[in-house]
Amino acid sequence: KAGVTQTPRYLIKTRGQQVTLSCSPISGHRSVSWYQQTPGQGLQFLFEYFSETQRNKGNFPGRFSGRQFSNSRSEMNVSTLELGDSALYLCASSGDTEAFFGQGTRLTVV
Amino acid sequence: GIQVEQSPPDLILQEGANSTLRCNFSDSVNNLQWFHQNPWGQLINLFYIPSGTKQNGRLSATTVATERYSLLYISSSQTTDSGVYFCAVRPTGTASKLTFGTGTRLQVTL
Repeated sequence: KAGVTQTPRYLIKTRGQQVTLSCSPISGHRSVSWYQQTPGQGLQFLFEYFSETQRNKGNFPGRFSGRQFSNSRSEMNVSTLELGDSALYLCASSGDTEAFFGQGTRLTVV
Repeated sequence: GIQVEQSPPDLILQEGANSTLRCNFSDSVNNLQWFHQNPWGQLINLFYIPSGTKQNGRLSATTVATERYSLLYISSSQTTDSGVYFCAVRPTGTASKLTFGTGTRLQVTL
């Protein structure tokens, strides 16, 4: 059974640019959640999508957005990048019980 | 929102030693997971344990839901056990959002 796949693994972007990250969940899982991990703030919840609908949202500015497609794949977008957006972005795939995480996308904003 | 506290924040052990990591949470939960974050950032599932006791090799976990805490036991530690251990919970009655503790950083030395 394939795991959670996140692409790309690494990204370097310039301040002001935008970025799109992708997450393919485990087959059959309809819930995809996104988390941001930084040294100062730890692991923080961004948002969750279930059957193409945003079901839950964390406390992040509107520059952070996401969507989910009919095949459950999800993308998150960050517009007008700031230095503070440099982080590891983790995607989680959930069925009825536990969550499984992808390898993450490490974003560096310069 | 729910608060999750992990202790100790840092732990240094010699190979072969045993350890206990603790996770306290402030509200009732319907999901509790323990993860090990590897050096590349991926969160590896250790246990899904909203209540009761489970064992997997040298690792075991116990959650006492009524007293709002969980324990992760590592026996005969190895250098490959090094990394950060996270506890994550989902409050009862909520969707898939997980709230993470701040983690315990474990270093196992020879």
